[in-house]
Amino acid sequence: GQNIDQPTEMTATEGAIVQINCTYQTSGFNGLFWYQQHAGEAPTFLSYNVLDGLEEKGRFSSFLSRSKGYSYLLLKELQMKDSASYLCAVMDSNYQLIWGAGTKLIIKP
Amino acid sequence: GAVVSQHPSWVICKSGTSVKIECRSLDFQATTMFWYRQFPKQSLMLMATSNEGSKATYEQGVEKDKFLINHASLTLSTLTVTSAHPEDSSFYICSAREGLADTDTQYFGPGTRLTVL
Repeated sequence: GQNIDQPTEMTATEGAIVQINCTYQTSGFNGLFWYQQHAGEAPTFLSYNVLDGLEEKGRFSSFLSRSKGYSYLLLKELQMKDSASYLCAVMDSNYQLIWGAGTKLIIKP
Repeated sequence: GAVVSQHPSWVICKSGTSVKIECRSLDFQATTMFWYRQFPKQSLMLMATSNEGSKATYEQGVEKDKFLINHASLTLSTLTVTSAHPEDSSFYICSAREGLADTDTQYFGPGTRLTVL
């Protein structure tokens, strides 16, 4: 079967760095997405990786290793507003999205 | 874990026809379901929120007569795109939430790719 694994919850301190991991097993691969979702709001697109390596976008970076079925989202200089759920999703060979359950990130002062 | 399915996975239709997309929660009862559109590498745009047994709440700019939503049971919501046009071509994603609180987890479906010729 297809599945995406990511931690259920993580806690970090304001100003620090946090890495949210995502491992996947899917039938085919057409890219991996990271979304941020605040409670009661629609998911916001953060990144899309289809090739191996690290992509940096401001305070957020996303890494992909296709051979390992692994990605991480790195958040630097954490701010209180970064408290949210972070969703990992993989597009499979049929261009369907396979979703992780999301990681709830709690930022403490 | 909770699973949400969508049917069909993809559909191609002629301009002017109507298309129905189903969203099902397979192992839980979803009090609330959401319908989104996704454009390539962009955020999900919330179209409407539907609560079982009541009318859907549409976001600003979404035509309720064009995008008909029915949430007839706690496990099924349908989105019907009426008189589809090429600009309606998109990836439609639904999600389902078991509870009523914003903090309750949403579970997302795999999406339906609609192409209108």
